Amino acid sequence: GQQVMQIPQYQHVQEGEDFTTYCNSSTTLSNIQWYKQRPGGHPVFLIQLVKSGEVKKQKRLTFQFGEAKKNSSLHITATQTTDVGTYFCAAFRSGNTPLVFGKGTRLSVIA
Amino acid sequence: KAGVTQTPRYLIKTRGQQVTLSCSPISGHRSVSWYQQTPGQGLQFLFEYFSETQRNKGNFPGRFSGRQFSNSRSEMNVSTLELGDSALYLCASSHPGLAGGGAYNEQFFGPGTRLTVL
Repeated sequence: GQQVMQIPQYQHVQEGEDFTTYCNSSTTLSNIQWYKQRPGGHPVFLIQLVKSGEVKKQKRLTFQFGEAKKNSSLHITATQTTDVGTYFCAAFRSGNTPLVFGKGTRLSVIA
Repeated sequence: KAGVTQTPRYLIKTRGQQVTLSCSPISGHRSVSWYQQTPGQGLQFLFEYFSETQRNKGNFPGRFSGRQFSNSRSEMNVSTLELGDSALYLCASSHPGLAGGGAYNEQFFGPGTRLTVL
């Protein structure tokens, strides 16, 4: 079945440093969604990318969808302690297939 | 709108027992999906229900089952519990299908049920 690989598994950064997590698939994706889960919480939707090469920004967060629609990235500029959590990418291959989640990248921010 | 609710929030069972977890979706959402979350495996898809029909099923043994009622509320059942079934079980609701422009509707997650099997 479809797998979505996410790297790195863990990332520890000093507050103010940048952070990037990558999501890769061997098959073309219909679209990709990103979620954030705070410690002790549940996943919360951040954004969705649909078009090849699409780039979206949310304040310090920049999301990209690859030209071939097989990979995506989430970049956080100047991390803050509020960015702590696990970031998941999730993708649909097609309309009737379930949403498949990557294993997530756990971000720790050291103040 | 009220969010997705799940009951119970915490559960402790022993091996061999069975358990039923409940999920009430956001009003108007007809699609409900269930996920198992463990530290090593991340979020693994269990099944998805839409209009009382199972639309998709993940790669879990038959001990895991679910159903959806006419009011879109959903339950999942795990029979003959094993130690490895200890996990956070998350329910998510959404509008099914396309949101427009090729986008799919986002999943709204509940707080989860923390199941511990002793």
